[in-house]
Amino acid sequence: DVKVTQSSRYLVKRTGEKVFLECVQDMDHENMFWYRQDPGLGLRLIYFSYDVKMKEKGDIPEGYSVSREKKERFSLILESASTNQTSMYLCASSPPFGNQPQHFGDGTRLSIL
Amino acid sequence: AQSVTQLGSHVSVSEGALVLLRCNYSSSVPPYLFWYVQYPNQGLQLLLKYTTGATLVKGINGFEAEFKKSETSFHLTKPSAHMSDAAEYFCAVSINQAGTALIFGKGTTLSVSS
Repeated sequence: DVKVTQSSRYLVKRTGEKVFLECVQDMDHENMFWYRQDPGLGLRLIYFSYDVKMKEKGDIPEGYSVSREKKERFSLILESASTNQTSMYLCASSPPFGNQPQHFGDGTRLSIL
Repeated sequence: AQSVTQLGSHVSVSEGALVLLRCNYSSSVPPYLFWYVQYPNQGLQLLLKYTTGATLVKGINGFEAEFKKSETSFHLTKPSAHMSDAAEYFCAVSINQAGTALIFGKGTTLSVSS
């Protein structure tokens, strides 16, 4: 089975901190994704990557950056955390084409105080 | 561009009743369609998908969905609800192009009462 592992289930940080969320997949998938999930808003795409060192902005990239130095690892970075970034963050991976499903990690619930 | 609309943010049924969760999509090219389920404090799990071929798709846990191109719909059904079906359900659309992401609906929370 595909395994997508997010480094933390729960994380508490302070405003202004630089925050790193890590995601690792074990299926050699080309695509990796970061979503943010908020009640009533569903999943909103922050960034995705279709290859090492490649990235594309999603719907809500402001305040975030990403890094993909190795195929299996995709990091989400909050450059200067703010309280409005308190949310559930979900990582996913998939093969390159749209007819293949995405596989999700269990999520990181991030609180910014 | 693609989009997904899930009708009803919250659906309540009794145990043993029919489950119907509605999803309509918009796509300028033939779509691929997915239903995911999310249980509390977990990530999303694939229920079923439509890519090509048979328009009635069967998934896990007794769920199925029918792709209706003329209605641009992909509604999710289950003949008899079980308490364990209580969860949040997401419909998603993508297209046959490398490097594209899924577009998700806002989700429907299913409650099942005894």
